[in-house]
Amino acid sequence: DTEVTQTPKHLVMGMTNKKSLKCEQHMGHRAMYWYKQKAKKPPELMFVYSYEKLSINESVPSRFSPECPNSSLLNLHLHALQPEDSALYLCASSQDTDSGHRGTEAFFGQGTRLTVV
Amino acid sequence: DQQVKQNSPSLSVQEGRISILNCDYTNSMFDYFLWYKKYPAEGPTFLISISSIKDKNEDGRFTVFLNKSAKHLSLHIVPSQPGDSAVYFCAASALTQGGSEKLVFGKGMKLTVNP
Repeated sequence: DTEVTQTPKHLVMGMTNKKSLKCEQHMGHRAMYWYKQKAKKPPELMFVYSYEKLSINESVPSRFSPECPNSSLLNLHLHALQPEDSALYLCASSQDTDSGHRGTEAFFGQGTRLTVV
Repeated sequence: DQQVKQNSPSLSVQEGRISILNCDYTNSMFDYFLWYKKYPAEGPTFLISISSIKDKNEDGRFTVFLNKSAKHLSLHIVPSQPGDSAVYFCAASALTQGGSEKLVFGKGMKLTVNP
């Protein structure tokens, strides 16, 4: 199983809503990532979890709240978003660097297309 | 300030010919470089990577060349096939102080291979 599964595929939410994006992998990867990608732009790193602990937060606004309940799951909780937060949100996972793996491929999910209205 | 640059937004080649995709980077801390391919409505998929201690890595039709002194890498696809038509992202990796790996992506380049 080399899949990263993201749900939902599409999400439309109002600025006062609370919603969550979910990501799941069963490859035994201990590093998991959230990226945001706007149209015609590269994926931009938001958060990195390593061994279920938040290791990188790229100065993301607090209206985005990540959570890693276990080694297979990664959530992104959304609250009070703005229309400019509309984007494709990509989850990825990779082998951890502690065991000496570097530059190994990160597996990406299909993404959640988020529209904030 | 873009740390990873793909200056050409698109490339069109004939089937069977070579495709050359270029990428430049500015941060000397990057020590691994990767190429990803992305089809519409899908997440990026890994193609090939290279460590900064090497200057070439080959995998089938795909070869990545690294010129560390010029901070430049390129992906060669030969022979190009129509199924290679996609957006290609160059990415660079560095270890953070906390030991996590951070990937920085270029803007991507759309490759079209014509039959």
